[in-house]
Amino acid sequence: SQELEQSPQSLIVQEGKNLTINCTSSKTLYGLYWYKQKYGEGLIFLMMLQKGGEEKSHEKITAKLDEKKQQSSLHITASQPSHAGIYLCGAAPQTGANNLFFGTGTRLTVIP
Amino acid sequence: GAGVSQSPSNKVTEKGKDVELRCDPISGHTALYWYRQSLGQGLEFLIYFQGNSAPDKSGLPSDRFSAERTGGSVSTLTIQRTQQEDSAVYLCASSILDRVSPLHFGNGTRLTVT
Repeated sequence: SQELEQSPQSLIVQEGKNLTINCTSSKTLYGLYWYKQKYGEGLIFLMMLQKGGEEKSHEKITAKLDEKKQQSSLHITASQPSHAGIYLCGAAPQTGANNLFFGTGTRLTVIP
Repeated sequence: GAGVSQSPSNKVTEKGKDVELRCDPISGHTALYWYRQSLGQGLEFLIYFQGNSAPDKSGLPSDRFSAERTGGSVSTLTIQRTQQEDSAVYLCASSILDRVSPLHFGNGTRLTVT
């Protein structure tokens, strides 16, 4: 079965610092989704990447998908306490598939 | 418009009892998914309903788990004879059935089996 590895598992940063979270697969990814989850809440969709080399940004968050479509990174610039939460990457198991499988998540803490 | 609605938000039940979890998807979303999130674990896919097609039940962990989606809208996930290892957050998501639309998640039902 296909798996997504996220690193690091946990991250503590000072407010204002930049950070990067990685999501890696041993197989080609058909659609890579980034979500954020706060305790007791569902997952909030952040961004979706489909094409190799694609990069998207929303406010201070940038996500990239490498050319081989096997690794994605999520970069947060000038982190704020509101960025704290669990970040999960999800991917489709094959082209055209809609059900996603997910990584185990990265827990981000931002210290004011 | 409303997002994905799940009820109850919390459920505590005794081992051996049956439970029903409800999901009300976003109106117009033809695809509906159930996932399970256990403490320290990632999201585990359970079942997927796609329009009028037969559901993909490949993720259901045992025959104690079943799900229905009536009228292409509301779905219920039923767990029979609950066990302590069933304790988890059960998340429902819905989406438009195409290749690019993201899944929209509800806030989940936290199930505790005592």
